[in-house]
Amino acid sequence: GAVVSQHPSRVICKSGTSVKIECRSLDFQATTMFWYRQFPKQSLMLMATSNEGSKATYEQGVEKDKFLINHASLTLSTLTVTSAHPEDSSFYICSARTSGGTGELFFGEGSRLTVL
Amino acid sequence: AQSVTQLDSHVSVSEGTPVLLRCNYSSSYSPSLFWYVQHPNKGLQLLLKYTSAATLVKGINGFEAEFKKSETSFHLTKPSAHMSDAAEYFCVVTPTGGGNKLTFGTGTQLKVEL
Repeated sequence: GAVVSQHPSRVICKSGTSVKIECRSLDFQATTMFWYRQFPKQSLMLMATSNEGSKATYEQGVEKDKFLINHASLTLSTLTVTSAHPEDSSFYICSARTSGGTGELFFGEGSRLTVL
Repeated sequence: AQSVTQLDSHVSVSEGTPVLLRCNYSSSYSPSLFWYVQHPNKGLQLLLKYTSAATLVKGINGFEAEFKKSETSFHLTKPSAHMSDAAEYFCVVTPTGGGNKLTFGTGTQLKVEL
């Protein structure tokens, strides 16, 4: 199946700094990518939908100025957590859909962010 | 509107015995349903999906699920559990035809004991 890669898999940063997480579709082009957040022992919550070449669509309650999403190419979307605080510590997962609208979703392996 | 209820947060089975993970859904339209598995600190892997074709869906690693419209259920089963099946399982619903809105269940943690 298609491969979605996230980097870094783990990151530790100091409070107040910004962290960038990359999501790449390795063997297909993804016009749409999705960013999820997962709290410990909980389900995934959709944060935003990232569309190549346009602004991301954020879910209600997600601060767009805190979580900056850029989808500059058909194979790369980035999530930047700005001025991170300990409450931003979480597991962030991206997914990408293969072309065709109803294409299957493939998930990255996730990035665990710890803010000290 | 759509929602998913996973009835058990934890399921424990012995190796070699059957697995049943329960999922009920509600949807205002014809749904597509998925089961994903997540191993610790990993992303999600698709086990199987139902998209309005055959109601009994076979997936990877010996898992299967049956779509029962009358019961609004999509339970995941496996005849014989293996130690490597221990993981978190998520039932997911989305409108048929794609769409961006995946609704995840709260997950079921499967434990497999010797």
